[in-house]
Amino acid sequence: QSVLTQPPSVSAAPGQKVTISCSGSSSNIGNNFVSWYQQLPGTAPTLLIYDNNKRPSGIPDRFSGSKSGTSATLGITGLQTGDEADYYCGTWDSSLSAVVFGGGTKLTVL
Amino acid sequence: QVQLQQWGAGLLKPSETLSLTCAVFDGSFSGYYWSWLRQPPGKGLEWIGEINHRGSTNYNPSLKSRVAMSTDTSKNQFSLKLNSVTAADTAVYYCARVFRPTWYFDLWGRGTLVTVSS
Repeated sequence: QSVLTQPPSVSAAPGQKVTISCSGSSSNIGNNFVSWYQQLPGTAPTLLIYDNNKRPSGIPDRFSGSKSGTSATLGITGLQTGDEADYYCGTWDSSLSAVVFGGGTKLTVL
Repeated sequence: QVQLQQWGAGLLKPSETLSLTCAVFDGSFSGYYWSWLRQPPGKGLEWIGEINHRGSTNYNPSLKSRVAMSTDTSKNQFSLKLNSVTAADTAVYYCARVFRPTWYFDLWGRGTLVTVSS
C-alpha cells in the first residue's frame, strides 16, 4: 500500500488530454513539493516535473504539474503513442521522514 | 553530461548481503546528495536512503536497521549495502542524484536487478 494514491490506469486517444491525480496528506503533499516521473517500459524513471510545476530542460510543455492542498495532478496534452508509460508522483513525508511515492499510473494511448 | 553507472551482484541467497556501487561521471560529486531506490518486479518505487559527499546519511526508517551507505570521494562513487536479504528484497535497484531541499531525483542510473533466491 503506497502512501500516495494514484489511479492504477488511465487511457485516452492520440491527440487528447489526460490528467493523473496523486492524493496524499498534510504530512507529505500538503507541506512539501511534488515531483513526477515517467518510466517507459524496461527503463529507469526520468524526471518530468519538479517543485510541483517546473519542467526540466528537454521536457516538452505538453507536460504540466499542479498542486492544491493535499493533492497533485499531472497533465499531458497532445497525447502520443510514445507517452505510453508508467507515471509516478513523489514527495517528502515529514511524519515518516522518508521520500514516498504513489503506486504508479499506467497510461495507455489508445 | 553527468552520468551514473552502477554495478553489483545480481543473484544472492537469503541472509546474504546485497552490495551495489554507483559511479558519477562527468559531473560534480560534492554538493549533492545521492540516493538508492528500488522497484520490486511489477511494483512501484521505494526510497532506500541517501548520502552526501561528507558521508552524512539519511535512511528510510523501514529499512534503516539493515542498510549502510558509504562514499569514496576519490573515485566519485557511492555504495549501498543491505544485509540479511530475503526474497522480499528482490527488485531493480537504482542509484540517483537527489536535489535538495525539495526532494526530487533528476538523474538516474540504469538499474541493477537483484534476485534473492535459495
